[in-house]
Amino acid sequence: GENVEQHPSTLSVQEGDSAVIKCTYSDSASNYFPWYKQELGKRPQLIIDIRSNVGEKKDQRIAVTLNKTAKHFSLHITETQPEDSAVYFCAATNGNNRLAFGKGNQVVVIP
Amino acid sequence: DGGITQSPKYLFRKEGQNVTLSCEQNLNHDAMYWYRQDPGQGLRLIYYSQIVNDFQKGDIAEGYSVSREKKESFPLTVTSAQKNPTAFYLCASSPGTSDDEQYFGPGTRLTVT
Repeated sequence: GENVEQHPSTLSVQEGDSAVIKCTYSDSASNYFPWYKQELGKRPQLIIDIRSNVGEKKDQRIAVTLNKTAKHFSLHITETQPEDSAVYFCAATNGNNRLAFGKGNQVVVIP
Repeated sequence: DGGITQSPKYLFRKEGQNVTLSCEQNLNHDAMYWYRQDPGQGLRLIYYSQIVNDFQKGDIAEGYSVSREKKESFPLTVTSAQKNPTAFYLCASSPGTSDDEQYFGPGTRLTVT
């Protein structure tokens, strides 16, 4: 089945700097790649997603890039703010109408 | 925060008891999912259902059971056969295909002693 890995596991950035989280996946047939943000004690919420027919997608300070050849996709957060501190999960389709999630990245924005 | 609900928020049980976690959605979604979340382990799929009266095992189904008698409800039973049941359980729903956003409930934190 699909295997999704995230790096680094923890990322600390100064407020205002950029943060980048990278995920790799194993199934070349995967075609949908969402990113979820989970604040402490709360439910995961979708922040951005990308499909395999595009290479990049932006939404204000957040962007996702996809490299199908290398089988990796990355989340980019610019001008980080304290409210960006959370755990971020990437995921990929896994066949059988199910997503495979990475283990998550803890992002800490230092004021 | 409406749309998909889970109850209760916290649940305590003694070892050896079965316990059922509730998940309800009013989004008219066809698909529903149960995940288990442990520290550093991400989200692991327990069971999922694409349509009423049908469900499939996920990656860690042993010790769990589900039913899908109604479109809006997908309860999860944690049986005494689950060796490490203490965890945070998340229910999710989506319109119906793997290319759809999954909407998560607020979760139930189960503690078994």
